[in-house]
Amino acid sequence: RKEVEQDPGPFNVPEGATVAFNCTYSNSASQSFFWYRQDCRKEPKLLMSVYSSGNEDGRFTAQLNRASQYISLLIRDSKLSDSATYLCVVNPTTNAGKSTFGDGTTLTVKP
Amino acid sequence: DARVTQTPRHKVTEMGQEVTMRCQPILGHNTVFWYRQTMMQGLELLAYFRNRAPLDDSGMPKDRFSAEMPDATLATLKIQPSEPRDSAVYFCASGPRTVSGYTFGSGTRLTVV
Repeated sequence: RKEVEQDPGPFNVPEGATVAFNCTYSNSASQSFFWYRQDCRKEPKLLMSVYSSGNEDGRFTAQLNRASQYISLLIRDSKLSDSATYLCVVNPTTNAGKSTFGDGTTLTVKP
Repeated sequence: DARVTQTPRHKVTEMGQEVTMRCQPILGHNTVFWYRQTMMQGLELLAYFRNRAPLDDSGMPKDRFSAEMPDATLATLKIQPSEPRDSAVYFCASGPRTVSGYTFGSGTRLTVV
C-alpha cells in the first residue's frame, strides 16, 4: 500500500462546478500536509497548507481529518484555469523533511 | 519572488555520457531536494540535504547517481553513465527549516538516447 494515495481521476467538470479531492495517508504520526498544483510540463507549485482546523483561500478549502487519516481539497465555482493536476503532500515531521507526494489527481474544467 | 534556479532546462545526451544538473536554491533555505518525475512513476524523491549535509539518498541508484552540495548556493546531481531509462524531468526544490512547503525549480528535462 502506498504511503499517500489519491484518486488519479481524471475529474472532468463544467465551469462553475464544485469539485472535491481526497487523499489518504498511512502514517498516523504525520505532522504537516499540503496541496500542490502542477500544470502540464511545469513544476509543482504550493497551493495551500492544510491545518486541523481547516483553511480557506478564496474558492479553495482544505481540510484535515486525522482520525480517518485523510485530507481534502474543495474547489468551488471552478474556472477553466483550475485545470491541472493536484498533488497532496504528507510530511512526517514539523520541520521541512522527507515529504511524500501523492501521484496526483487530474482536473479538467470544461466550458 | 525568490526562485529556485535549475540548469540546464533541457538536455539531450547519448547513452553512456555523463550528465550534470545544477540547482541554486533560494537564499536562506537550508533544505534542498532532488526529485525525478516520469509519467509512469510520478514524483520520486532521489535525495535531500539539510545544511548541505546529505540526509537521505535512498531513492537514488547509487551505482550511477551522485548528489552533492559543494556550497549553500549550489546543489548538483550527476549521472554517470547515463542510460535511456534515466530520461525524465529532474526537479530541485528548496525549503526553510520550518514547514511552509517547498519551492520547486522549473526542472531539467533529460533525454538519453
